[in-house]
Amino acid sequence: AQKITQTQPGMFVQEKEAVTLDCTYDTSDPSYGLFWYKQPSSGEMIFLIYQGSYDQQNATEGRYSLNFQKARKSANLVISASQLGDSAMYFCAMSRGYGNNRLAFGKGNQVVVIP
Amino acid sequence: GAVVSQHPSRVICKSGTSVKIECRSLDFQATTMFWYRQFPKQSLMLMATSNEGSKATYEQGVEKDKFLINHASLTLSTLTVTSAHPEDSSFYICSAQIRGSNYEQYFGPGTRLTVT
Repeated sequence: AQKITQTQPGMFVQEKEAVTLDCTYDTSDPSYGLFWYKQPSSGEMIFLIYQGSYDQQNATEGRYSLNFQKARKSANLVISASQLGDSAMYFCAMSRGYGNNRLAFGKGNQVVVIP
Repeated sequence: GAVVSQHPSRVICKSGTSVKIECRSLDFQATTMFWYRQFPKQSLMLMATSNEGSKATYEQGVEKDKFLINHASLTLSTLTVTSAHPEDSSFYICSAQIRGSNYEQYFGPGTRLTVT
């Protein structure tokens, strides 16, 4: 079975600073995908970034980058130059395999950006 | 692009009644849609996978007779909560996988269901 672990307590981040959100995972599948989603208070899930298990390079999308350490089974999200609009819950998720997008989610990290 | 809508956004119903939630991909075709539920301050739990033109696949522990899923077209999936009980009150979120993509999946804004 797959398991996603996000254990950090709620975080306060100064505007314009960088923040790292931890995510570790456990799976026996050789092929899988890792995702990060943002959920603001309005409730919608916003896709941020994706990393395939066979991707050699760490994924980047604008201010978001994923620090993928396969041997450690970690997929930390780095948000650079935090903005007030980044305040939200952040969820790490994993899919079961290539093209199989049934997602298992972690419990989430609450981030509050302060001016 | 890649917009997914859900209707209604909020619904209140009485115990014992049924309620239907629609999930639409507005600007793309979705061969697969997923239904999740989220309790307050908790994570999303996958309920079922819906494929166009075939029966939905339910996750372990999800009652398929209670949560009826229909994926009538490449842009529409519906979730019907039958004989609703107060414990069914939750936030229901759908997502749609872009046809031809290996991983791109976009979420709807969610439906808040309250059963009284």
